[in-house]
Amino acid sequence: EIVMTQSPATLSVSPGERATLSCRASQSVSSNLAWYQQKPGQAPRLLIYGASTRATGIPARFSGSGSGTEFTLTISSLQSEDFAVYYCQQYNDWPPLTFGGGTKVEIK
Amino acid sequence: EVQLVESGGVVVQPGGSLRLSCAASGFTFDEYTMHWVRQAPGKSLEWVSLIYWDGSNTYYAGSVKGRFTVSRDNSKNSLYLQMNSLRTEDTAFYYCAKQTITGYYFFDYWGQGTLVTVSS
Repeated sequence: EIVMTQSPATLSVSPGERATLSCRASQSVSSNLAWYQQKPGQAPRLLIYGASTRATGIPARFSGSGSGTEFTLTISSLQSEDFAVYYCQQYNDWPPLTFGGGTKVEIK
Repeated sequence: EVQLVESGGVVVQPGGSLRLSCAASGFTFDEYTMHWVRQAPGKSLEWVSLIYWDGSNTYYAGSVKGRFTVSRDNSKNSLYLQMNSLRTEDTAFYYCAKQTITGYYFFDYWGQGTLVTVSS
């Protein structure tokens, strides 16, 4: 089973600042990595797939990079609606499909 | 508009059984692989199961294998999860999720979830 590790667990950022979230895989997942955003009481929403492709309707301030075992989600200028929990998911080797533990982006 | 609506979540005793349902609309249901993903309160996401578009193949997480059974009825645009021998650690929100058309195993739409509580 591929273990996904996200860091940091919590990121405190001021509105308008840049946020950088990390996701590490225990073995290579190539570019088969997705990012999701989840707000309290809501279902996750797909942001990025293929490590760097934005999903439909996702603003350009969200960008993904990386391949192999190291991945980054960058939010270039945080808006109020971006404060949420972010999860990475690998889909290179399954079952099982696996998610990271999440990074909570909170207002500084 | 794609909609996924889960139902069936209740409080059940350890060792009990439950069937969850997911009603799908807004897309051609019988063309897509569907998944169940769960989330214990305050915890991360855990993939549970998937079923191919035609029901020909199913896969499970090790934590539920042998206890849970996924099925679908394409004539009713519905997905199901039969949960047997429930344990306290099965307590979670259960989401049904639609796989993308790309053939890769990630999810472009999720339902709002249904809460299963396993407690005596």
